[in-house]
Amino acid sequence: ETGVTQSPTHLIKTRGQQVTLRCSSQSGHNTVSWYQQALGQGPQFIFQYYREEENGRGNFPPRFSGLQFPNYSSELNVNALELDDSALYLCASSLGSGITYNEQFFGPGTRLTVL
Amino acid sequence: DAKTTQPNSMESNEEEPVHLPCNHSTISGTDYIHWYRQLPSQGPEYVIHGLTSNVNNRMASLAIAEDRKSSTLILHRATLRDAAVYYCILRIGNTGKLIFGQGTTLQVKP
Repeated sequence: ETGVTQSPTHLIKTRGQQVTLRCSSQSGHNTVSWYQQALGQGPQFIFQYYREEENGRGNFPPRFSGLQFPNYSSELNVNALELDDSALYLCASSLGSGITYNEQFFGPGTRLTVL
Repeated sequence: DAKTTQPNSMESNEEEPVHLPCNHSTISGTDYIHWYRQLPSQGPEYVIHGLTSNVNNRMASLAIAEDRKSSTLILHRATLRDAAVYYCILRIGNTGKLIFGQGTTLQVKP
Protein backbone atom coordinates (compact mmCIF):
# COMPACT_ATOMS: atom_id res chain seq x y z
CA GLU A 1 0.00 0.00 0.00
CA THR A 2 1.50 3.36 -1.09
CA GLY A 3 1.19 6.23 1.35
CA VAL A 4 0.50 9.88 0.58
CA THR A 5 3.16 11.44 -1.62
CA GLN A 6 3.76 15.10 -2.41
CA SER A 7 5.84 16.89 -4.99
CA PRO A 8 8.05 18.75 -5.13
CA THR A 9 9.81 18.38 -1.79
CA HIS A 10 11.16 21.92 -1.80
CA LEU A 11 10.39 24.94 -3.95
CA ILE A 12 11.68 28.50 -4.12
CA LYS A 13 9.61 31.21 -5.79
CA THR A 14 9.60 34.99 -5.88
CA ARG A 15 6.82 37.35 -4.84
CA GLY A 16 4.05 37.63 -7.40
CA GLN A 17 4.70 34.26 -9.03
CA GLN A 18 2.30 31.35 -9.14
CA VAL A 19 2.93 27.84 -7.80
CA THR A 20 1.33 24.41 -8.16
CA LEU A 21 1.83 21.71 -5.55
CA ARG A 22 0.82 18.10 -6.13
CA CYS A 23 -0.45 15.31 -3.92
CA SER A 24 -1.15 11.63 -4.56
CA SER A 25 -3.63 10.10 -2.16
CA GLN A 26 -3.22 6.83 -0.36
CA SER A 27 -4.71 3.98 -2.38
CA GLY A 28 -8.49 3.78 -1.99
CA HIS A 29 -8.89 7.25 -0.44
CA ASN A 30 -11.36 9.66 -2.05
CA THR A 31 -10.88 12.74 0.14
CA VAL A 32 -7.93 15.15 0.16
CA SER A 33 -7.32 18.02 2.57
CA TRP A 34 -4.63 20.69 2.31
CA TYR A 35 -2.97 22.48 5.22
CA GLN A 36 -0.45 25.30 5.57
CA GLN A 37 2.07 25.02 8.38
CA ALA A 38 4.18 28.09 9.15
CA LEU A 39 7.43 27.54 11.01
CA GLY A 40 6.79 26.71 14.66
CA GLN A 41 3.01 26.70 14.24
CA GLY A 42 0.34 24.06 13.94
CA PRO A 43 -1.10 23.30 10.51
CA GLN A 44 -3.98 25.49 9.30
CA PHE A 45 -6.78 24.01 7.19
CA ILE A 46 -6.93 25.44 3.65
CA PHE A 47 -9.62 23.30 2.02
CA GLN A 48 -10.84 19.77 1.43
CA TYR A 49 -11.90 17.96 -1.73
CA TYR A 50 -14.27 15.00 -1.73
CA ARG A 51 -14.93 13.17 -4.98
CA GLU A 52 -13.60 16.09 -7.05
CA GLU A 53 -15.73 18.76 -5.33
CA GLU A 54 -14.58 21.32 -2.77
CA ASN A 55 -16.06 20.24 0.53
CA GLY A 56 -15.07 22.91 3.02
CA ARG A 57 -12.66 25.82 3.14
CA GLY A 58 -10.65 27.58 5.83
CA ASN A 59 -9.82 31.29 6.11
CA PHE A 60 -7.65 31.55 3.03
CA PRO A 61 -8.09 34.06 0.17
CA PRO A 62 -9.32 32.98 -3.30
CA ARG A 63 -5.78 33.05 -4.68
CA PHE A 64 -5.48 29.66 -2.95
CA SER A 65 -7.32 27.21 -5.19
CA GLY A 66 -7.35 23.50 -5.75
CA LEU A 67 -8.37 20.60 -7.91
CA GLN A 68 -9.04 16.94 -7.35
CA PHE A 69 -8.76 14.56 -10.27
CA PRO A 70 -10.78 11.40 -11.05
CA ASN A 71 -7.96 9.28 -9.61
CA TYR A 72 -8.33 11.40 -6.40
CA SER A 73 -4.90 12.99 -6.70
CA SER A 74 -4.95 16.72 -6.04
CA GLU A 75 -3.28 20.04 -6.78
CA LEU A 76 -2.96 23.19 -4.70
CA ASN A 77 -2.47 26.38 -6.69
CA VAL A 78 -1.38 29.66 -5.17
CA ASN A 79 -1.42 32.82 -7.28
CA ALA A 80 0.32 36.15 -6.65
CA LEU A 81 2.66 34.70 -4.05
CA GLU A 82 3.38 36.77 -0.95
CA LEU A 83 6.28 36.46 1.49
CA ASP A 84 3.88 35.15 4.17
CA ASP A 85 3.03 32.19 1.94
CA SER A 86 6.38 30.68 2.87
CA ALA A 87 5.46 27.53 4.76
CA LEU A 88 5.23 23.75 4.72
CA TYR A 89 2.19 22.67 2.70
CA LEU A 90 0.72 19.39 3.84
CA CYS A 91 -1.69 17.16 2.01
CA ALA A 92 -3.75 14.55 3.84
CA SER A 93 -5.96 11.84 2.39
CA SER A 94 -8.80 9.94 3.98
CA LEU A 95 -11.66 7.65 3.08
CA GLY A 96 -14.97 9.42 3.07
CA SER A 97 -15.86 12.82 4.40
CA GLY A 98 -17.46 14.08 7.56
CA ILE A 99 -18.65 11.40 9.89
CA THR A 100 -17.62 8.51 7.69
CA TYR A 101 -13.89 8.77 8.30
CA ASN A 102 -11.65 8.41 11.32
CA GLU A 103 -8.18 9.54 10.44
CA GLN A 104 -6.32 11.53 7.85
CA PHE A 105 -3.03 10.27 6.46
CA PHE A 106 -0.53 13.06 5.89
CA GLY A 107 2.20 13.33 3.32
CA PRO A 108 5.66 14.68 4.18
CA GLY A 109 4.82 18.12 2.81
CA THR A 110 6.24 20.59 0.32
CA ARG A 111 8.45 23.33 1.75
CA LEU A 112 7.70 26.56 -0.16
CA THR A 113 10.00 29.55 0.21
CA VAL A 114 8.91 32.89 -1.26
CA LEU A 115 11.67 35.47 -1.74
CA ASP B 1 -13.77 29.86 15.99
CA ALA B 2 -13.17 26.73 18.00
CA LYS B 3 -9.66 26.47 19.42
CA THR B 4 -7.49 24.34 21.66
CA THR B 5 -4.89 25.36 24.24
CA GLN B 6 -1.92 23.20 25.17
CA PRO B 7 1.31 23.67 27.15
CA ASN B 8 4.21 24.55 24.88
CA SER B 9 6.45 21.76 26.15
CA MET B 10 6.62 18.82 28.53
CA GLU B 11 9.30 16.41 29.64
CA SER B 12 9.06 12.79 30.59
CA ASN B 13 11.37 9.97 31.56
CA GLU B 14 11.51 6.87 29.42
CA GLU B 15 9.19 4.04 30.51
CA GLU B 16 7.03 6.42 32.59
CA PRO B 17 3.44 7.48 31.79
CA VAL B 18 2.83 10.88 30.21
CA HIS B 19 -0.33 12.96 30.54
CA LEU B 20 -0.68 15.66 27.89
CA PRO B 21 -3.48 18.13 28.73
CA CYS B 22 -5.63 20.17 26.38
CA ASN B 23 -8.31 22.79 26.94
CA HIS B 24 -11.08 23.31 24.39
CA SER B 25 -13.65 25.38 26.22
CA THR B 26 -15.34 26.57 22.98
CA ILE B 27 -16.04 23.04 21.73
CA SER B 28 -19.51 22.47 20.35
CA GLY B 29 -21.62 19.36 20.79
CA THR B 30 -20.76 17.85 17.41
CA ASP B 31 -17.01 18.53 17.43
CA TYR B 32 -14.72 15.54 17.76
CA ILE B 33 -11.45 15.67 19.70
CA HIS B 34 -8.49 14.33 17.76
CA TRP B 35 -4.83 13.97 18.65
CA TYR B 36 -2.06 13.79 16.09
CA ARG B 37 1.69 13.87 16.57
CA GLN B 38 4.40 15.18 14.29
CA LEU B 39 7.99 14.01 14.23
CA PRO B 40 10.67 16.28 12.74
CA SER B 41 10.52 16.52 8.95
CA GLN B 42 7.35 14.44 8.76
CA GLY B 43 3.65 15.08 8.35
CA PRO B 44 1.35 14.64 11.35
CA GLU B 45 0.39 11.10 12.34
CA TYR B 46 -3.00 10.12 13.78
CA VAL B 47 -2.93 9.04 17.41
CA ILE B 48 -6.50 8.81 18.68
CA HIS B 49 -9.90 10.52 18.63
CA GLY B 50 -13.12 10.63 20.63
CA LEU B 51 -16.41 12.44 21.08
CA THR B 52 -17.64 11.96 24.65
CA SER B 53 -16.36 8.69 26.09
CA ASN B 54 -12.81 7.77 27.00
CA VAL B 55 -11.02 5.87 24.26
CA ASN B 56 -8.14 3.40 24.18
CA ASN B 57 -6.06 2.14 21.28
CA ARG B 58 -2.68 0.53 20.82
CA MET B 59 -0.89 3.89 20.88
CA ALA B 60 -2.58 5.79 23.69
CA SER B 61 -5.64 6.56 25.77
CA LEU B 62 -7.85 9.63 25.56
CA ALA B 63 -9.62 10.86 28.66
CA ILE B 64 -12.39 13.39 27.97
CA ALA B 65 -13.85 15.55 30.75
CA GLU B 66 -17.56 15.17 31.42
CA ASP B 67 -18.25 18.74 30.20
CA ARG B 68 -15.95 18.11 27.17
CA LYS B 69 -14.08 21.36 27.79
CA SER B 70 -10.80 19.54 28.31
CA SER B 71 -9.12 16.27 27.49
CA THR B 72 -5.91 14.42 28.28
CA LEU B 73 -3.82 12.22 26.04
CA ILE B 74 -2.15 9.45 28.00
CA LEU B 75 0.93 7.62 26.78
CA HIS B 76 1.22 4.68 29.14
CA ARG B 77 4.96 4.10 28.83
CA ALA B 78 6.92 6.76 27.00
CA THR B 79 9.72 5.66 24.72
CA LEU B 80 12.38 7.75 23.00
CA ARG B 81 10.42 7.32 19.76
CA ASP B 82 7.46 9.14 21.33
CA ALA B 83 9.40 12.43 21.34
CA ALA B 84 7.37 14.64 19.01
CA VAL B 85 4.99 17.60 18.83
CA TYR B 86 1.55 16.46 19.98
CA TYR B 87 -1.43 18.35 18.60
CA CYS B 88 -4.83 18.49 20.23
CA ILE B 89 -7.33 19.10 17.44
CA LEU B 90 -11.02 19.74 17.03
CA ARG B 91 -12.75 18.20 14.04
CA ILE B 92 -15.61 20.55 13.25
CA GLY B 93 -18.96 18.83 13.29
CA ASN B 94 -19.65 16.49 10.38
CA THR B 95 -16.81 17.88 8.28
CA GLY B 96 -13.21 16.98 7.66
CA LYS B 97 -11.97 20.35 8.89
CA LEU B 98 -9.31 19.88 11.56
CA ILE B 99 -8.51 22.86 13.79
CA PHE B 100 -4.99 22.37 15.12
CA GLY B 101 -3.69 23.96 18.30
CA GLN B 102 -0.12 25.13 18.80
CA GLY B 103 0.99 21.71 19.99
CA THR B 104 3.02 20.39 22.91
CA THR B 105 6.62 19.43 22.29
CA LEU B 106 7.27 16.27 24.28
CA GLN B 107 10.85 15.47 25.29
CA VAL B 108 11.57 11.96 26.54
CA LYS B 109 14.71 11.50 28.58
CA PRO B 110 16.48 8.15 28.77
